[in-house]
Amino acid sequence: TQLLEQSPQFLSIQEGENLTVYCNSSSVFSSLQWYRQEPGEGPVLLVTVVTGGEVKKLKRLTFQFGDARKDSSLHITAAQPGDTGLYLCAGPPPMGAGGTSYGKLTFGQGTILTVHP
Amino acid sequence: GAVVSQHPSWVICKSGTSVKIECRSLDFQATTMFWYRQFPKQSLMLMATSNEGSKATYEQGVEKDKFLINHASLTLSTLTVTSAHPEDSSFYICSARVGFRVRGQTQYFGPGTRLLVL
Repeated sequence: TQLLEQSPQFLSIQEGENLTVYCNSSSVFSSLQWYRQEPGEGPVLLVTVVTGGEVKKLKRLTFQFGDARKDSSLHITAAQPGDTGLYLCAGPPPMGAGGTSYGKLTFGQGTILTVHP
Repeated sequence: GAVVSQHPSWVICKSGTSVKIECRSLDFQATTMFWYRQFPKQSLMLMATSNEGSKATYEQGVEKDKFLINHASLTLSTLTVTSAHPEDSSFYICSARVGFRVRGQTQYFGPGTRLLVL
């Protein structure tokens, strides 16, 4: 059972279109993070959301943390070919997990985004 | 700041040999480092948590004797794939954790090491 469910898994769009990637869970998280990874490279942190209902913007990217802190979304406006990559949501152990899981991150399955010129 | 390097970036080896991958935090001290494995077009799968000066904690299903992890200093962790076989071919990524509080803790990732076992 996947703790963080990402959707869609694949997204192929044309330059200029908008898109939204979802990261859902039945568990409550103290924070969630979004990463972007290009082929052959490690993931790069885009944002960390901590407060329920929080919205953060990073240029054309808008990140939202659900009010109940069980889900998050990433919205890209006017996508560009440079946005192409694997987008990953991740979170620390759900609240109440504790113990030896401290410090670990759980990743969603990822969303492969391809933006065509 | 918070740069993590890996060496080598790619390696090709013969089946049965051992391969060592280094993970270094360049501008900070990392008490905890993590090792991940990633297959093409898939997400990261945590293999083990490496704590400086103590034994690594392995995830369920990861062979401890196959993937040896050593965290000898606050800036260096190594992963040794022993007696490598073609099925060990993968992209291995390390990360280093910055911060001690649960809320807002951040992991910084290395660039990854591509291993191909022939």
